[in-house]
Amino acid sequence: GAGVSQSPSNKVTEKGKDVELRCDPISGHTALYWYRQSLGQGLEFLIYFQGNSAPDKSGLPSDRFSAERTGGSVSTLTIQRTQQEDSAVYLCASSFDFGSGNTIYFGEGSWLTVV
Amino acid sequence: AQSVTQLGSHVSVSEGALVLLRCNYSSSVPPYLFWYVQYPNQGLQLLLKYTTGATLVKGINGFEAEFKKSETSFHLTKPSAHMSDAAEYFCAVSQYNFNKFYFGSGTKLNVKP
Repeated sequence: GAGVSQSPSNKVTEKGKDVELRCDPISGHTALYWYRQSLGQGLEFLIYFQGNSAPDKSGLPSDRFSAERTGGSVSTLTIQRTQQEDSAVYLCASSFDFGSGNTIYFGEGSWLTVV
Repeated sequence: AQSVTQLGSHVSVSEGALVLLRCNYSSSVPPYLFWYVQYPNQGLQLLLKYTTGATLVKGINGFEAEFKKSETSFHLTKPSAHMSDAAEYFCAVSQYNFNKFYFGSGTKLNVKP
């Protein structure tokens, strides 16, 4: 696609429910990143994928968070048993190749509210 | 390890005045440096980036930034602020063959008429 596409754009869920956030990167981009932006906070790195593998999962806040990527394209971030502190904007980004100073392009984010 | 510090979470300037947003980084190897802008309810857009070569980098919307290795800085400037520049600005650093981008905490720019 023309840009990074994320869905849903807005999600309100009850505490304890599971949510899935989807990211469709720019066509041909091999690297895919997930970041979290909490209200008034900066960007918190969660995980990145090179192809389908995730060499660095160190940013995932807890074992309730998981992510996968299939076919080197679409990625899903899953949050199990959501808590109120999970409320944030979840931003996905992609780039042609990791490193090398290549630009990462962001989607518009999925706004998650846990009530 | 890399880190990025943006001084001032909020900066306010008058329309037509100089914009200066500060960014300092720490890196054990030569970094790649970026500035992104986030308009309300939107994702992040690249303003400009430094990888190699000329240390003064020009970006979109009249912004520019200068990489100063001795000061480990990459401050963002614009000679004359416009109302449409009101947004949040993020500085980021990565390094060659390193796949993680480190972002600063952001600076919200307010432009007064």
